[in-house]
Amino acid sequence: AQTVTQSQPEMSVQEAETVTLSCTYDTSENNYYLFWYKQPPSRQMILVIRQEAYKQQNATENRFSVNFQKAAKSFSLKISDSQLGDTAMYFCAFMIRGIGNMLTFGGGTRLMVKP
Amino acid sequence: GAVVSQHPSWVICKSGTSVKIECRSLDFQATTMFWYRQFPKQSLMLMATSNEGSKATYEQGVEKDKFLINHASLTLSTLTVTSAHPEDSSFYICSAPRQGRETQYFGPGTRLLVL
Repeated sequence: AQTVTQSQPEMSVQEAETVTLSCTYDTSENNYYLFWYKQPPSRQMILVIRQEAYKQQNATENRFSVNFQKAAKSFSLKISDSQLGDTAMYFCAFMIRGIGNMLTFGGGTRLMVKP
Repeated sequence: GAVVSQHPSWVICKSGTSVKIECRSLDFQATTMFWYRQFPKQSLMLMATSNEGSKATYEQGVEKDKFLINHASLTLSTLTVTSAHPEDSSFYICSAPRQGRETQYFGPGTRLLVL
């Protein structure tokens, strides 16, 4: 079974600064995907970024980037130039490639961006 | 991007009644959909996997007779909470994986309040 752990229940950052959210996972699989989802107060789950485990290059989406360390089973999210609209719950998630596309979620990190 | 809708977004019902929640993939077909339950300030808990043309697969501890799932077509899955009780009050979210993109897209969720 896969597990995903987010060790930071809450974090805060000043507007325009950079923050990193941590995520570790445990699996015996070799082919999988990792995701960061954002859940703002509206509670709509929004895909932030996706990483394919077989790719060594870290994924980047505008102000969002990841540090994927496969051997360490670590998948952190860096948010640069934080904006007030980044305030949300952030969930790290794991999915085995090709098997039913089921997601395993971490417990979440509540991020507050302060003006 | 892919869009998943849910209806209704809010429902208040009396204890003992049944409530149906619809999940639709609007611009793609989904042979599989997932139903989650989320309590306040917690992560998403997978309840069941909805399979088009076959029975749903329920996670351990989820009552099949309480939470009826029907995947009537390639774009529609329904979750019926039967004989609802106050402890069934929660936020219910569906998701659908888009084949070829190896990514899940989430509906906006349904808030259920059982009085």
